[in-house]
Amino acid sequence: GAVVSQHPSRVICKSGTSVKIECRSLDFQATTMFWYRQFPKKSLMLMATSNEGSKATYEQGVEKDKFLINHASLTLSTLTVTSAHPEDSSFYICSARGLAGSSYNEQFFGPGTRLTVL
Amino acid sequence: GENVEQHPSTLSVQEGDSAVIKCTYSDSASNYFPWYKQELGKGPQLIIDIRSNVGEKKDQRIAVTLNKTAKHFSLHITETQPEDSAVYFCRGSQGNLIFGKGTKLSVKP
Repeated sequence: GAVVSQHPSRVICKSGTSVKIECRSLDFQATTMFWYRQFPKKSLMLMATSNEGSKATYEQGVEKDKFLINHASLTLSTLTVTSAHPEDSSFYICSARGLAGSSYNEQFFGPGTRLTVL
Repeated sequence: GENVEQHPSTLSVQEGDSAVIKCTYSDSASNYFPWYKQELGKGPQLIIDIRSNVGEKKDQRIAVTLNKTAKHFSLHITETQPEDSAVYFCRGSQGNLIFGKGTKLSVKP
């Protein structure tokens, strides 16, 4: 149980284009999803927290107009990197947390998406 | 905000030896202490966690100990194997979910 998938696993795009990354909880309902960014040999940096049906809460320094997050259902959240630039190249990881009081009330991480912007 | 410090940043051990990684935290209200293992190119996986009402938890070769007075918790891996080689992260339990900076563990055969 508690499987979280991400798609795509790798994406290469040209500068100026937008890229959408999907995060799905496969066997539980995720009331909260988190998006992280990880640079090589560095720790995970929380970008934003989203609750199903409401707007995401962004961490300080994260541009909400550049990193659009949608959490439209209890099993799917998307991160769209708009007008991507080479400095947006990174490893993006989502995690999902289930209902309070359930056995899924903890963060379960996806496998990550490697974004390379040329 | 909460501060989480993790040591060491790198750790190299011989196969069969034990490895210990320590995290200190600043928020005395913290009540949940997880450890994650991240292999190259993959997302973190929860390997063990402990809540503040216990001092130690063990799962086969891995264990976590908690010292609430000193505000630190440690990951212990015994009888290390090459497949234990990875980056390990601790995480704070409050607010903005801060991760430690990670420990790269290398287990040499």
